[in-house]
Amino acid sequence: DIQMTQSPSSLSASVGDRVTITCRASQGISNYLAWYQQKPGKVPKLLIYAASTLQSGVPSRFSGSGSGTDFTLTISSLQPEDVATYYCQKYNSAPFTFGQGTRLEIK
Amino acid sequence: EVQLVESGGGLVQPGGSLRLSCAASGFTVSSNYMSWVRQAPGKGLEWVSVIYSGGSTYYADSVKGRFTISRDNSKNTLYLQMNSLRAEDTAVYYCARASRGITYPWGQGTLVTVSS
Repeated sequence: DIQMTQSPSSLSASVGDRVTITCRASQGISNYLAWYQQKPGKVPKLLIYAASTLQSGVPSRFSGSGSGTDFTLTISSLQPEDVATYYCQKYNSAPFTFGQGTRLEIK
Repeated sequence: EVQLVESGGGLVQPGGSLRLSCAASGFTVSSNYMSWVRQAPGKGLEWVSVIYSGGSTYYADSVKGRFTISRDNSKNTLYLQMNSLRAEDTAVYYCARASRGITYPWGQGTLVTVSS
């Protein structure tokens, strides 16, 4: 099975900073990659699918890129409400494995 | 409005069984991929199982042979039958539509606690 590895596991940044989270697949998955945001105590929320397509209603400061095995989630200007854990997930075929998550905090 | 409501969680002893239900509204379960995802306390998301619109089913290795995903088209409801439960199965279980594999939307989750 394909493994999904995120880095870093945790991240602390200042408001206004540009933040990048990386997700690597152990084999190529084309662009079948989604990103989710989970705030403490809340249900995960879909941010991006097809590696770079922004889900409706998601702020434009979020963007995704990549194809094959290497993907990134970028927040162009970090806001206090972006404090959350972020997960990538492959969905080219089952199992639809998640990355281990990246916890983002405000410095 | 698309909505998913899970039920059936609770406290169960190791080795016991539990059946989770997920009632869907606003869309047809049988026309979509449907998934279960779980999250152990303080841990990350773990994909558990999916049922395709055609009926094919897939499982994480950690639950294969113990859990069974199914659906009742007449009730527009998704199920997860969990047998031979272990302490490490303790988690919040979410059901979600997995249209083309994209997991969205999610239900609110139901907590399963496996403990003696």
